[in-house]
Amino acid sequence: NAGVTQTPKFRILKIGQSMTLQCTQDMNHNYMYWYRQDPGMGLKLIYYSVGAGITDKGEVPNGYNVSRSTTEDFPLRLELAAPSQTSVYFCASSSAQGFTTGELFFGEGSRLTVL
Amino acid sequence: AQKVTQAQTEISVVEKEDVTLDCVYETRDTTYYLFWYKQPPSGELVFLIRRNSFDEQNEISGRYSWNFQKSTSSFNFTITASQVVDSAVYFCALTQPVNNNDMRFGAGTRLTVKP
Repeated sequence: NAGVTQTPKFRILKIGQSMTLQCTQDMNHNYMYWYRQDPGMGLKLIYYSVGAGITDKGEVPNGYNVSRSTTEDFPLRLELAAPSQTSVYFCASSSAQGFTTGELFFGEGSRLTVL
Repeated sequence: AQKVTQAQTEISVVEKEDVTLDCVYETRDTTYYLFWYKQPPSGELVFLIRRNSFDEQNEISGRYSWNFQKSTSSFNFTITASQVVDSAVYFCALTQPVNNNDMRFGAGTRLTVKP
C-alpha cells in the first residue's frame, strides 16, 4: 500500500536555486496539504488543496508555490531557495471532511537543506 | 486565534513506567477538534485520536488513554506500562470547523523509553 509518496527524501540546494518537491497519493483523496516541520516548532501549513484545480495558502506560504492538476499529485515548488527554507517538508492527504475525522495521512517527509 | 502548547520538550522513562504527555490549547470557538499524532523515528506522522469539543469523555485504547478537560483547556495523553516501541515524538493539534484546513500543531514532545 503506497499511501502518500514524497520525493526526494533528501536534497541540498544552493541559495537562489529552485526545485520541486513531488507528492502523490493513491487513495483518491480530495484534500492535500504541505507542511513544514522546523525543530521545536511543530508543523506549519504552507499550502493546501481541496481538489484538482483548487489551492489556497496556509500559515506560511511565502517563498512557495503549488499546483493541483490531478487528484493524485500536489507538487510544491520552491523559487529562489533561502536558508530559512531549510526544513523537513511533509505532504498529507485526507478524504472529504478529513478534519472531521482527523484522518490525515502523511508521507515520510523530505529533508531540504539550503546552503 | 488558536494555539497549542506542549510544554514538555523531552521526556525519558524506563520501560513499564507510566507517562503523561501534556497538551494545553487556546481557542475562542466553542466548537473545535483536538488530535494526537505520533511521529516514530521513521518520520511519518500517524494519527492516534480525535476529540470534538462536545465530547469530554475520557478514552482508553489499550495502553493509551486521553483525558480531555475543557475547564483547564487540556487534552493530556497517558501511556501505561510504556514500551521501547513507544519512543517517538508526539504532537497535539487543534482545528476549528470555521477553518478546517488549518490544523495547528504543538511543538511536540519527544518521548524516549529506555529498556
